[in-house]
Amino acid sequence: GQQVMQIPQYQHVQEGEDFTTYCNSSTTLSNIQWYKQRPGGHPVFLIQLVKSGEVKKQKRLTFQFGEAKKNSSLHITATQTTDVGTYFCAGMWNTGRRALTFGSGTRLQVQP
Amino acid sequence: ETGVTQTPRHLVMGMTNKKSLKCEQHLGHNAMYWYKQSAKKPLELMFVYNFKEQTENNSVPSRFSPECPNSSHLFLHLHTLQPEDSALYLCASSQESSYSSGRAGSDTQYFGPGTRLTVL
Repeated sequence: GQQVMQIPQYQHVQEGEDFTTYCNSSTTLSNIQWYKQRPGGHPVFLIQLVKSGEVKKQKRLTFQFGEAKKNSSLHITATQTTDVGTYFCAGMWNTGRRALTFGSGTRLQVQP
Repeated sequence: ETGVTQTPRHLVMGMTNKKSLKCEQHLGHNAMYWYKQSAKKPLELMFVYNFKEQTENNSVPSRFSPECPNSSHLFLHLHTLQPEDSALYLCASSQESSYSSGRAGSDTQYFGPGTRLTVL
């Protein structure tokens, strides 16, 4: 089945440092979504990217969708302790299957 | 957030017990999902229901039995579980596109708080 590979699995940064997580698919995606799960919480939708080369920003978060629609990234500038959690990408392909396929997630720890 | 609710929040059961997990969505969505989340597999899709019909079963053991009586409610019936079934069970809903009605969907999934299941 189709998969999205997400790296790194885990990242520990000092507060104020930047953070990036990457997702890759071997085949072209129709869209990709990003979710955040706080410790002890549930995944919460952050954003959806649909267009080739799309870049969207939410305050300190920048989301990118590759030109070939096979990869995506989430970049956080100047991390804060409130950014702690696991970030998941979730992809969908033009196969008629409507369910998302989630990446394995990147767990972010921020040291104050 | 109260769009998707799940009960119970915590459940401890023996391997011979029978229990059910309940999920209810108040968002008017037409698709509902069960996920299993554990340390080994962060978000493992189990079942998908679209307009009350099961559209996906990802090789889930028969000791897990889903039920979707209407678009707002989803159950997961559990029986003779194994200790390795201990995990967080998450329910989600979304508004999927309906080709027959021409209604556009967003595919965005809204998750409930989950049920933390421990099998002894």
